[in-house]
Amino acid sequence: DVVLTQTPSILSATIGQSVSISCRSSQSLLDSDGNTYLYWFLQRPGQSPQRLIYLVSNLGSGVPNRFSGSGSGTDFTLKISGVEAEDLGVYYCMQATHAPYTFGAGTKLELK
Amino acid sequence: QVTLKESGPGILQPSQTLSLTCSFSGFSLSTYGMCVGWIRQSSGKGLEWLANIWWNDDKYYNPSLKNRLTISKDTSNNQAFLKITNMDTADTATYYCARRGGDYWGQGVMVTVSS
Repeated sequence: DVVLTQTPSILSATIGQSVSISCRSSQSLLDSDGNTYLYWFLQRPGQSPQRLIYLVSNLGSGVPNRFSGSGSGTDFTLKISGVEAEDLGVYYCMQATHAPYTFGAGTKLELK
Repeated sequence: QVTLKESGPGILQPSQTLSLTCSFSGFSLSTYGMCVGWIRQSSGKGLEWLANIWWNDDKYYNPSLKNRLTISKDTSNNQAFLKITNMDTADTATYYCARRGGDYWGQGVMVTVSS
């Protein structure tokens, strides 16, 4: 199975600070169809996950543009340019290139 | 407006079969490219993608659970279903359904396996 390693596991930030989360894959996530099926989700306390980013860098519908995704192959990054209070929660990366689809263990974003 | 809602038994005994229903609105599973998936979340194993069903009835199953999973759909009633056989305490989790690529999720249903 593809292992997704997220760092850091806990991220402390102040409001307005820019932060980044890394997601490293044990295998390349480039599919034979040319797509890279790497996604980012945010799960706020007591809520279902919400998709932020799809196919590495595409912003989900209604997602603020302070979120951005980048990367290729095995290394991916989610950046938040100016943390807001509503951004607190656990962030997960997920890959759907290889079966089984797998998630990272999560990065908890908390207020410093 | 896209919505999904899961329903299930809440609690069941080991070895029983879990039957889950995902009732959705705002899209159709007969639309080209559309897909509904099932995902679970437990404190022990985190998030785990279990299965997908596509508009053309193609299916994906997590290989580690494949022998126990059956996914199906009722397009006319906007529902998708998941059955998991031989439930164990390790299957205790919150079960979610989600639209294609996880762009919309249901609220989840907690399932506890206990004797």
